[in-house]
Amino acid sequence: ETGVTQTPRHLVMGMTNKKSLKCEQHLGHNAMYWYKQSAKKPLELMFVYSLEERVENNSVPSRFSPECPNSSHLFLHLHTLQPEDSALYLCASSHGTSNYGYTFGSGTRLTVV
Amino acid sequence: QQQVKQSPQSLIVQKGGISIINCAYENTAFDYFPWYQQFPGKGPALLIAIRPDVSEKKEGRFTISFNKSAKQFSLHIMDSQPGDSATYFCAASVESNYQLIWGAGTKLIIKP
Repeated sequence: ETGVTQTPRHLVMGMTNKKSLKCEQHLGHNAMYWYKQSAKKPLELMFVYSLEERVENNSVPSRFSPECPNSSHLFLHLHTLQPEDSALYLCASSHGTSNYGYTFGSGTRLTVV
Repeated sequence: QQQVKQSPQSLIVQKGGISIINCAYENTAFDYFPWYQQFPGKGPALLIAIRPDVSEKKEGRFTISFNKSAKQFSLHIMDSQPGDSATYFCAASVESNYQLIWGAGTKLIIKP
């Protein structure tokens, strides 16, 4: 384990379902990130939270809704997703929002059917 | 301007050989160039990083070569081992900015 834990590891959901992805870190980091990883494409930054405030929302569709209740936990709430949203969703954390030394979780493999 | 172009997409190297992965960028404001390594079922992990004030950085069998004038940087893995088989990502950014710009990745396979 890297210190960043993501659950669940795998998720299959229908297009009308509502589900949430969870990320937890106990590294003392104060910035957390959601990334989307699709095959043969660069990692896509979705959201950034610094000190529990959202500082970036990279034109992500509203069917993805992040929540950061404290500096150790990050959620991604999903609803009415599309098949093209199927991907690996990665959570990362760091000291501040300087990009040096991200620690990634192992990801949630999401399949939308 | 914001892209980082990574090549090749996939690479097969014999055990003991040298693996070389290349990246090119356009934005001259970038001042931080990390490489991440990702094994199947895991998230990326920082492998090695360089800043443009040096032309080379070495950590064990891993070396970054940086050519500022050509706006290119590369990862060299010496004496490649089967355990090095993974996907490698280059990235670039302005260090003070959280926005890492990622290459598309290179799947490296080391044949025994």
